[in-house]
Parts: sequence; structure tokens; C-alpha cells
Amino acid sequence: AQSVTQLDSQVPVFEEAPVELRCNYSSSVSVYLFWYVQYPNQGLQLLLKYLSGSTLVKGINGFEAEFNKSQTSFHLRKPSVHISDTAEYFCAVSDIQGGSEKLVFGKGTKLTVNP
Amino acid sequence: KAGVTQTPRYLIKTRGQQVTLSCSPISGHRSVSWYQQTPGQGLQFLFEYFSETQRNKGNFPGRFSGRQFSNSRSEMNVSTLELGDSALYLCASSLAADYEQYFGPGTRLTVT
Repeated sequence: AQSVTQLDSQVPVFEEAPVELRCNYSSSVSVYLFWYVQYPNQGLQLLLKYLSGSTLVKGINGFEAEFNKSQTSFHLRKPSVHISDTAEYFCAVSDIQGGSEKLVFGKGTKLTVNP
Repeated sequence: KAGVTQTPRYLIKTRGQQVTLSCSPISGHRSVSWYQQTPGQGLQFLFEYFSETQRNKGNFPGRFSGRQFSNSRSEMNVSTLELGDSALYLCASSLAADYEQYFGPGTRLTVT
């Protein structure tokens, strides 16, 4: 079974500082990887996804992630964060069975950007 | 294009009651998935429907059920509610071909 580990449950940073949110996955097959963001009292919004091709993936709001197959990691980065980036971030792997797409999520990382 | 809509947004029920939640996917999307989000367990997959057929099911008891209609709208039902069913229930739709799921705002269910 696939699983996702987000290594930090909370990450506090100052505004305009760089940030990295770490994600490791376990899977015996090829995977599709995703990062979602959740603002308070809202659903999930896709930040970026890795399906194949270039291991560096760029997403919305200035975020990017790098797929590392040997380390089974998919860390999310942003060079300079804003107050508005304060939210919870979820890493997910797609478990495809018989054409059905089930997302397996990590426990989430709460990013707090302080002024 | 309108996003995924879920109704109601908030719901308070008593233990032992049943509840039905509704999800309208993005126009053209035929796959609808449901997830339960709790502080303790995080985001867990409930089930996925495609063209009115359940294609996948998570590890939840039979009290949790769902269905999908011909217009792709989906409902999930929880019978004999327990306190532990209090959660945010999220619905997501996809084209089923691009592996991108679009989430609705969720229904916050509180069981007292």
C-alpha cells in the first residue's frame, strides 16, 4: 500500500524568507504526486502535480517541487513567502487501481508566515 | 466554469440519526470522489464513483454509502451516526484522465 509522510507538522517562517515543506512517499509502482493547499474553512486547491517528465515542477503562487525517485521525495519550495501563504499543505500520491484514482494524503504541514 | 459545489456547508446531527450530503461536480467531470477529514486521521478516501458505478472504496464501515446519478451529481449517506463521524466531508471531481482532482469547499458535519 502506498503511504505519504510529511516530516514537519508545523513550519513557522518570517515573511520573505524561503521555505521547504518535506514529503516522502512509499510505493512499489510508478506514482503521480501532488501538493494541495487548504486555507481555513475551505476545500483543497491543487498547487502542482508530477505525472512524468521534468523532475522540477512549477505550480501556482510561486511554488515549485522536485521529484526525487531515488530518495522517494517530493519536497515543496518557495523562495520568498508572503503572509497570504499561511495555510495547511498536503502532499498526496495517486493510487491508481483499475482506472480509479484514489489520493493518499500525508498528515499535512501547517505553514505560518509571520511578519 | 463553476467549481465543485457541496450542500449543505454545515450540518448538526444527533447520534443515531442519518445524514445525506450532496456534491455537484464540475460540468463534464464524470468521476466523483469523497474524502473524510478529521484532526486525528487526516484526509481519508471514502469512495469514488464513475458513470454511476462505484469504482473504488476505502476502509469505512457499511454505514457509509454513496451513489451517483446520471448527471454525475453524487450523494453520500451516513446512517446511525456516531460521535466519531464528526468531520469535514470533501467531494472532488475529475475528468478521470488527467489525474487532477478538483475539490469542493466541504460539508462540516457535527454529531452531538
